[in-house]
Amino acid sequence: GAVVSQHPSRVICKSGTSVKIECRSLDFQATTMFWYRQFPKKSLMLMATSNEGSKATYEQGVEKDKFLINHASLTLSTLTVTSAHPEDSSFYICSAPGLAGGRGPYEQYFGPGTRLTVT
Amino acid sequence: AQSVTQLGSHVSVSEGALVLLRCNYSSSVPPYLFWYVQYPNQGLQLLLKYTTGATLVKGINGFEAEFKKSETSFHLTKPSAHMSDAAEYFCAVSDLSTGGFKTIFGAGTRLFVKA
Repeated sequence: GAVVSQHPSRVICKSGTSVKIECRSLDFQATTMFWYRQFPKKSLMLMATSNEGSKATYEQGVEKDKFLINHASLTLSTLTVTSAHPEDSSFYICSAPGLAGGRGPYEQYFGPGTRLTVT
Repeated sequence: AQSVTQLGSHVSVSEGALVLLRCNYSSSVPPYLFWYVQYPNQGLQLLLKYTTGATLVKGINGFEAEFKKSETSFHLTKPSAHMSDAAEYFCAVSDLSTGGFKTIFGAGTRLFVKA
């Protein structure tokens, strides 16, 4: 089945630095990917929609200058947390919609997540 | 706008007992409905989905859910709970009104299974 990977799985960074998280679709092409943020014991909050070859679409309340998204190819989207602060510490999950294999266009394939800790 | 409400942030059952996790949705167009399971520090795994056709959907690990349009519900059930079912469960909805692919999640329900 379709697989989505994320790298790194865990990252610790100092306050003020920037961190890049990669999301890759391993065996299928994804013109659209989604980035979610999950606080401890909370649900997933959709941050933005990443579109290959064009600008990302951000959800209301998400700072686009803070969370930079680049979708440079059909298999890779990156999320860069700029000038990270402790309140940015969270679990970040990406997903890509399924397009083949009879599973319909609306099922999301999720990456395993990236745990970001800002000290 | 679409939304998902999961009733009960925590549900506790005994091993072997019926599992019932409730989900109600709001959508202006026919929805696509999903249940996902998440184990600690892991991503989400699809349990089952409803897109079209039969309203009773069977998924993995013995779970099933029934789409009831009149009640705008998509409750998840399992006849007999197992210790390994202890996890966080998310109900989710997506539809064409959001461009086709966007998925919105409920707040989640943590399932505890007692021995």
